Amino acid sequence: GAVVSQHPSRVICKSGTSVKIECRSLDFQATTMFWYRQFPKQSLMLMATSNEGSKATYEQGVEKDKFLINHASLTLSTLTVTSAHPEDSSFYICSARPDDPVTVNEQFFGPGTRLTVL
Amino acid sequence: AQSVTQLDSQVPVFEEAPVELRCNYSSSVSVYLFWYVQYPNQGLQLLLKYLSGSTLVKGINGFEAEFNKSQTSFHLRKPSVHISDTAEYFCAVRNTGRRALTFGSGTRLQVQP
Repeated sequence: GAVVSQHPSRVICKSGTSVKIECRSLDFQATTMFWYRQFPKQSLMLMATSNEGSKATYEQGVEKDKFLINHASLTLSTLTVTSAHPEDSSFYICSARPDDPVTVNEQFFGPGTRLTVL
Repeated sequence: AQSVTQLDSQVPVFEEAPVELRCNYSSSVSVYLFWYVQYPNQGLQLLLKYLSGSTLVKGINGFEAEFNKSQTSFHLRKPSVHISDTAEYFCAVRNTGRRALTFGSGTRLQVQP
């Protein structure tokens, strides 16, 4: 149980295009999901908190219009990198916080998406 | 605000030797503490967590950690490591009033034969 998937696992795109990354909780519901960014050999930096039924909460310094987040259902959050540039190349990881009271204090992570912008 | 410090960026160790990965945190409120492992090009897998209760926490793959409130530490230990334990290890904290995790900078455990 508690599996989180991400799609795609890898994506290469041209500069100026938009890329959508999906994060799904496969066997549990999650009102809250998180999006992290990880640069090579560095830690995870929280980008935003995705809330089902309401707007995402972005961390300081993260551009809302650049990184669009939509939490369409209790099992799906999407991150769209708009007008991607080479500096957006990174490893993007999502996590989901179960609504189940037993595991609500945990987060389960997806396998990550490697984005390369040419 | 809360922060997490992992003092060792890399820890080389021989197979079957014991290892300790250090983690210190700062927070003005109560916290939950976690250790995650990341293999190359993969997401994070939870090793163990401290939410409350016993300060000695046992996790998967033979790892354990001890929460020391007075020293604000949550060091990860394993009595005998394997080659397969080679990975990046992240300590993370979440204060009880916040939903998101704050991660340390990570420690690369390199197990040598």
